Amino acid sequence: DAMVIQNPRYQVTQFGKPVTLSCSQTLNHNVMYWYQQKSSQAPKLLFHYYDKDFNNEADTPDNFQSRRPNTSFCFLDIRSPGLGDAAMYLCATSREWGSQGGEQYFGPGTRLTVT
Amino acid sequence: AQSVTQLDSHVSVSEGTPVLLRCNYSSSYSPSLFWYVQHPNKGLQLLLKYTSAATLVKGINGFEAEFKKSETSFHLTKPSAHMSDAAEYFCVVSRSGGYQKVTFGIGTKLQVIP
Repeated sequence: DAMVIQNPRYQVTQFGKPVTLSCSQTLNHNVMYWYQQKSSQAPKLLFHYYDKDFNNEADTPDNFQSRRPNTSFCFLDIRSPGLGDAAMYLCATSREWGSQGGEQYFGPGTRLTVT
Repeated sequence: AQSVTQLDSHVSVSEGTPVLLRCNYSSSYSPSLFWYVQHPNKGLQLLLKYTSAATLVKGINGFEAEFKKSETSFHLTKPSAHMSDAAEYFCVVSRSGGYQKVTFGIGTKLQVIP
C-alpha cells in the first residue's frame, strides 16, 4: 500500500545533541510537510517542500532545518534540541499545493523526548 | 485570510448515540474543508473533504458533514457512536483553488462512554 513512513517512531535525545528524523513516501506526491504537535494541540506547520522548493514558516526556529534529497525522502534536523522541542513530529504529503493541499496524508509520527 | 473555530474542546457521548462535532470557518475565498481524526500516538487520517461539489459529504466509518455557507459551518456527525470513535478530531480549511496553506482548528476530543 502507498503510504508515508516515519522513522524512528520514538526518539530520545539529550539536551543539545543533534537529532535527525526521517520521512519517506511511496505516494509520489509533490509536497511534503513537517509539523510539530505538542500535547493536546493542533499540528503546527514548520515548513514544507514543493518538489525541491523549500518554504519555511516565519515562526519556525532556526534550530530546525530540513532536507529533501529526492521525491521520496525528507529529513528534519534539530541542531540543538531543547526541552521545549519535545513533541510529536508529523510528516505529511499532498499531491499538490493549493486547492489540493488540504488533502494530506500523514505518517504515524515520531515522538521526540529530550532529556 | 482564513480561520477555523471548533466550538467544543471535549465532547462526551454514550456508545450508540449520535455524535455532533461543531466547526465554523472564516475564509476570504471559496473554502475547501476537511475533517481529520487522530487516535492516540498516531498520525492524522482524513475522514472526509468538501471541495465545492455536493454540500453533504460522506466519509469513512459512517461519518458525514454538511457544508452550510450561510452559517459558515461544517459540522461532523455520525448517527451512532462506536467505542473505536474515541479520538481527537480536527477541522481544517484551505483555499479552493490557489495558493494557501491549510489552517487547523484546535481539535475536539471525543470520548465514548460504554
